Amino acid sequence: GIQVEQSPPDLILQEGANSTLRCNFSDSVNNLQWFHQNPWGQLINLFYIPSGTKQNGRLSATTVATERYSLLYISSSQTTDSGVYFCAGLMGAGGTSYGKLTFGQGTILTVHP
Amino acid sequence: NAGVMQNPRHLVRRRGQEARLRCSPMKGHSHVYWYRQLPEEGLKFMVYLQKENIIDESGMPKERFSAEFPKEGPSILRIQQVVRGDSAAYFCASSLTGTADGYTFGSGTRLTVV
Repeated sequence: GIQVEQSPPDLILQEGANSTLRCNFSDSVNNLQWFHQNPWGQLINLFYIPSGTKQNGRLSATTVATERYSLLYISSSQTTDSGVYFCAGLMGAGGTSYGKLTFGQGTILTVHP
Repeated sequence: NAGVMQNPRHLVRRRGQEARLRCSPMKGHSHVYWYRQLPEEGLKFMVYLQKENIIDESGMPKERFSAEFPKEGPSILRIQQVVRGDSAAYFCASSLTGTADGYTFGSGTRLTVV
């Protein structure tokens, strides 16, 4: 079955709006991370968030490991937030997964001015 | 700290030629991972290497693809006799400890097979 599932697949916002992106992951996935791939294709590591909540400026993320989901919040969105947001996690328990990430299909975010 | 360096950024090859993609990890990182991103898809794991060793190549096609990470120099992903289906973005990542924390990606090599 699908190990990492993201929703929504596409999201269109007006500048200034807030949004929530969701990532559901299976029992075999842990150590969640969020990445942003900008329109030039570059991947930026946003959060390493196996559990709990972290904030960085207008972005924050929460992972509830016991319920197998993670949320990425974007507040007061800007056009530069456009791109694809991926969540990814390690397969396997403990130290058996060697840092090998399994990615979701991504959420394509478009922010209009 | 220059980050993870990949080159070339763009590579065009004719069908049947060889493609060589290079990745220099972050300074001090000895764990290197290669991923492939097909158009409009997420990244898929290909291979995990440490210096002079292939640890996990479960995501790499059995034929035409090989990877190495020599004692000196960058990691190389080599694709022989390229076909149109090999056209994709190939990303390299490195980490210090072989775990997910501190995972850093390069900017990728976009391979186009014509």
